[in-house]
Amino acid sequence: ELKVEQNPLFLSMQEGKNYTIYCNYSTTSDRLYWYRQDPGKSLESLFVLLSNGAVKQEGRLMASLDTKARLSTLHITAAVHDLSATYFCAVEGMRFGAGTRLTVKP
Amino acid sequence: GAVVSQHPSWVICKSGTSVKIECRSLDFQATTMFWYRQFPKQSLMLMATSNEGSKATYEQGVEKDKFLINHASLTLSTLTVTSAHPEDSSFYICSAEPGLAGVTDTQYFGPGTRLTVL
Repeated sequence: ELKVEQNPLFLSMQEGKNYTIYCNYSTTSDRLYWYRQDPGKSLESLFVLLSNGAVKQEGRLMASLDTKARLSTLHITAAVHDLSATYFCAVEGMRFGAGTRLTVKP
Repeated sequence: GAVVSQHPSWVICKSGTSVKIECRSLDFQATTMFWYRQFPKQSLMLMATSNEGSKATYEQGVEKDKFLINHASLTLSTLTVTSAHPEDSSFYICSAEPGLAGVTDTQYFGPGTRLTVL
């Protein structure tokens, strides 16, 4: 059974700081997705990573995938309050991690 | 961009009644649609995968007779919660995937339906 583990589950950080969210998964997969969810809302697609070594960046967020290590990271650079949300990784598009609830404080 | 709608956005019903939730892809054809359930402050749990014109594939532990899924066209899938009970109260989210069936590349998520069973 495919297991997807995210850490940390909760992250409180100050504006301007950097941090990384980790997503480990238990079986071989070449497709890793990152989503954002605001409270009471559905999911917004952030990144789709389709191969080993894939790196994608959008604004202050950068995602990478290491299929050999079965690890994906979501790096936040110089966080701003608007990034406060819950971030999910999903393997094969539909197996979700527990989510990381990010709060960015001024 | 691709848009997926859900209807209703919220519903409150009495215990024992059935509720139908619609998921529509508005500007693309979706060979595959997915149904998820999300309890408060928890992750999304895949309930079933729905392919147009065939029976849905349910995840382990999901009751087929309770959660009826119909994917009758390339733009519409429905989830019917039969004989709903308070423990079925949840946020139900669908997603739709254009392209070839069985190849997951991009999923477009609906806005979700909040079901409350009294």
